[in-house]
Amino acid sequence: DIQMTQSPSSLSTSVGDRVTITCRASQSISSFLNWYQQKPGKAPKLLIYAASSLQSGVPSRFSGSGSETDFTLTISSLQPEDFATYYCQQSYSIPPTFGQGTKVEL
Amino acid sequence: QVQLQESGPGLVKPSQTLSLTCSVSGGSINSGSYYWSWIRQPAGKGLEWIGRIYTSGNTNYNPSLESRVTISLDTSKNQFSLKLSSVTAADTAVYYCARGQRFSNFLDFWGQGTLVTVSS
Repeated sequence: DIQMTQSPSSLSTSVGDRVTITCRASQSISSFLNWYQQKPGKAPKLLIYAASSLQSGVPSRFSGSGSETDFTLTISSLQPEDFATYYCQQSYSIPPTFGQGTKVEL
Repeated sequence: QVQLQESGPGLVKPSQTLSLTCSVSGGSINSGSYYWSWIRQPAGKGLEWIGRIYTSGNTNYNPSLESRVTISLDTSKNQFSLKLSSVTAADTAVYYCARGQRFSNFLDFWGQGTLVTVSS
């Protein structure tokens, strides 16, 4: 299985901050990388697919970049509704695997 | 807008079979543009992909669960199902169903999730 490692595991931030979360794959996955946001008691929500494509309806303050093994999710100006846990997921090979999550908290 | 809803027993005894159904509304489960997946999440932990089924009936399973998992499709009811046999306490989790985009390979619509507890 391809191992996905996110850093940091948690992040203390404030409204208005720029937030960067990184995700590293244990082998090259080209651009087959997706990002999800999960709030407590809710299902994950797709934010970014194919490393850098913004899902319809997702605010433009979210952006993704990277390829091969190193990827980044950036929130340009954190809003109150953005406090959540973020997961990266590789869709390059079976089984698709998720990072361990990054909790963004106040 | 597509909606997915999981249903099934919330409590399963050890060694028995966990059975869940995902009902899809707002779109046809028979579209070749999508596949239909199951993912689970133990309390306080990360996400684990269980498997998926295409409208052709082809399936892919997580090798770690493959010997115990069956995913099937019922196009007449616009539903798909998960069966996980020989469950143990380690299978206790919130189980999600989700729609996957076949060519771009991401999960764009998810059910709300259902908690399944394995206990005697």
